[in-house]
Amino acid sequence: DAKTTQPTSMDCAEGRAANLPCNHSTISGNEYVYWYRQIHSQGPQYIIHGLKNNETNEMASLIITEDRKSSTLILPHATLRDTAVYYCIVFNNNNDMRFGAGTRLTVKP
Amino acid sequence: NAGVMQNPRHLVRRRGQEARLRCSPMKGHSHVYWYRQLPEEGLKFMVYLQKENIIDESGMPKERFSAEFPKEGPSILRIQQVVRGDSAAYFCASSPAFGGRSTEAFFGQGTRLTVV
Repeated sequence: DAKTTQPTSMDCAEGRAANLPCNHSTISGNEYVYWYRQIHSQGPQYIIHGLKNNETNEMASLIITEDRKSSTLILPHATLRDTAVYYCIVFNNNNDMRFGAGTRLTVKP
Repeated sequence: NAGVMQNPRHLVRRRGQEARLRCSPMKGHSHVYWYRQLPEEGLKFMVYLQKENIIDESGMPKERFSAEFPKEGPSILRIQQVVRGDSAAYFCASSPAFGGRSTEAFFGQGTRLTVV
């Protein structure tokens, strides 16, 4: 079973920031927080990951709380092409990756 | 560096036939994960393998399904005596071993299995 919980769906206006929350209260000390997204029925696409520090790359920013029990993925300027299902998982390469139902983000014009 | 390659992309089988799905991990990756996805549903974990070893197969149906990741060659997900309920998209992902810093896993584009 997935170790994360996410809202089922969210809407965001095009050009605005999309903030997607994730709870992972049972995360272990050596597990990282990963975010993936799946557009239509394509293979999931890696977005970003982090351990305890905030991370930023060309796609998104990841904010992890100090106690590591929750995190937020931020898409700074959402576009229509960012409409997808976003998955938050915890993983460390030595265990399996379990996906929950994810958050269906709809970016509206 | 080629990405994770899955083949075939589409596979049609009649009920009772066997389906063999292949996954070639990225170069240097020794871990493979298989997932099944039904229409409008999430990714359901099936099995996690390292070279020549099954690490976790708790998501695999007890019968008709098997997986392997040999020392040489791709990982194979095998479904014997397929039934209509096996129709789904099957995705695999690969990652390197944990080397002190976690590294992302990459997914293939999936195999769409249709059982007629």
